Amino acid sequence: GAGVSQSPSNKVTEKGKDVELRCDPISGHTALYWYRQSLGQGLEFLIYFQGNSAPDKSGLPSDRFSAERTGGSVSTLTIQRTQQEDSAVYLCASSFSGTDYNEQFFGPGTRLTVL
Amino acid sequence: DAKTTQPPSMDCAEGRAANLPCNHSTISGNEYVYWYRQIHSQGPQYIIHGLKNNETNEMASLIITEDRKSSTLILPHATLRDTAVYYCIVRARGFGNEKLTFGTGTRLTIIP
Repeated sequence: GAGVSQSPSNKVTEKGKDVELRCDPISGHTALYWYRQSLGQGLEFLIYFQGNSAPDKSGLPSDRFSAERTGGSVSTLTIQRTQQEDSAVYLCASSFSGTDYNEQFFGPGTRLTVL
Repeated sequence: DAKTTQPPSMDCAEGRAANLPCNHSTISGNEYVYWYRQIHSQGPQYIIHGLKNNETNEMASLIITEDRKSSTLILPHATLRDTAVYYCIVRARGFGNEKLTFGTGTRLTIIP
């Protein structure tokens, strides 16, 4: 079946612009996660959704970052007033449940470059 | 902070068994050991997980020491496609433990 998909695969933007990154999880997965991977920081957690609720937003680096999930499916990560340090690969993952031992399935990521 | 320690890099000859160690000396009784890998330019991929018993699946075997303070991931017959960064992660079940905390991993290079 289809895996986790993300769009766009690449995004180049100018400093100060807003960007939206999209994640389509695997059908039936109630848990959805956003991570980012940058050269200096490795893979870091951003936010976790269970259904449409986000019980853990602890990884969002600033109030310029927000995310929502609608219909228990698609999620959008929005970065306002982008900065050069936001350049990274943004990865989305989903799993059947967040609290059990279920494996997380990752998408291919969106590479964001802020000029 | 990651609760695991892994060597930064390892080489293995193609066709040989690759043994990747992980130290997790502060692991709690309810924490599982997970292994993921990330092939260049792809998202991480789940490999295997275990609590205290050794585990095997179609990809790998996981050997956990009796005191659970360390583990070894074994790829029995490494191929060039196994070249990747391998992450050892400890994670408990239940609320508040949903996220994966990645360390720096081990960069495994399979040599032809």
